[in-house]
Amino acid sequence: GESVGLHLPTLSVQEGDNSIINCAYSNSASDYFIWYKQESGKGPQFIIDIRSNMDKRQGQRVTVLLNKTVKHLSLQIAATQPGDSAVYFCAENGAGSYQLTFGKGTKLSVIP
Amino acid sequence: SAVISQKPSRDICQRGTSLTIQCQVDSQVTMMFWYRQQPGQSLTLIATANQGSEATYESGFVIDKFPISRPNLTFSTLTVSNMSPEDSSIYLCSVEEAGGRLFFGEGSRLTVL
Repeated sequence: GESVGLHLPTLSVQEGDNSIINCAYSNSASDYFIWYKQESGKGPQFIIDIRSNMDKRQGQRVTVLLNKTVKHLSLQIAATQPGDSAVYFCAENGAGSYQLTFGKGTKLSVIP
Repeated sequence: SAVISQKPSRDICQRGTSLTIQCQVDSQVTMMFWYRQQPGQSLTLIATANQGSEATYESGFVIDKFPISRPNLTFSTLTVSNMSPEDSSIYLCSVEEAGGRLFFGEGSRLTVL
């Protein structure tokens, strides 16, 4: 079936640098995408979402980019902080479906 | 966003027993879901908890193993029946809010010995 996946399972960045976490999706009908952050021992926390009629959306220190041509999604974190260390999941909600399909996750480690 | 509370937060259970996980939301929500997250893995949807009717299960999950109740718009339970070590996972309750955003509880961490 259709799936959502990630290019890199782990990412280490220096504190203060920018982080980029990538995600590929295969369902061309997907029209809604979400990024979640999951800290150790906690549930997934909503970060930012984007609909397919947009290619960029910004939040506080985070930006999500959507490239529908190559079915690629990325999460950019500016000035990465130790508190950003977590596993990040992308998820897609295929057109006409209320269900989310989650990617495998990328573990972000911030080096102080 | 809605505040989602799950109980228990963690438990250690014996093989062959059953455990019921509760999910309480501080506001009425239409859509509630139960997810499983196996150790080191991503999230997999178990079922949609429908208020007033039987839950809708995803492929690979059955009602006899994971009975779900949804008596009202703020509460749901998931039971993990006849547990085996393979059921050791985090079980997560989630709710859908306006615009399709899905929010999660903190999860119930189950270890089956």
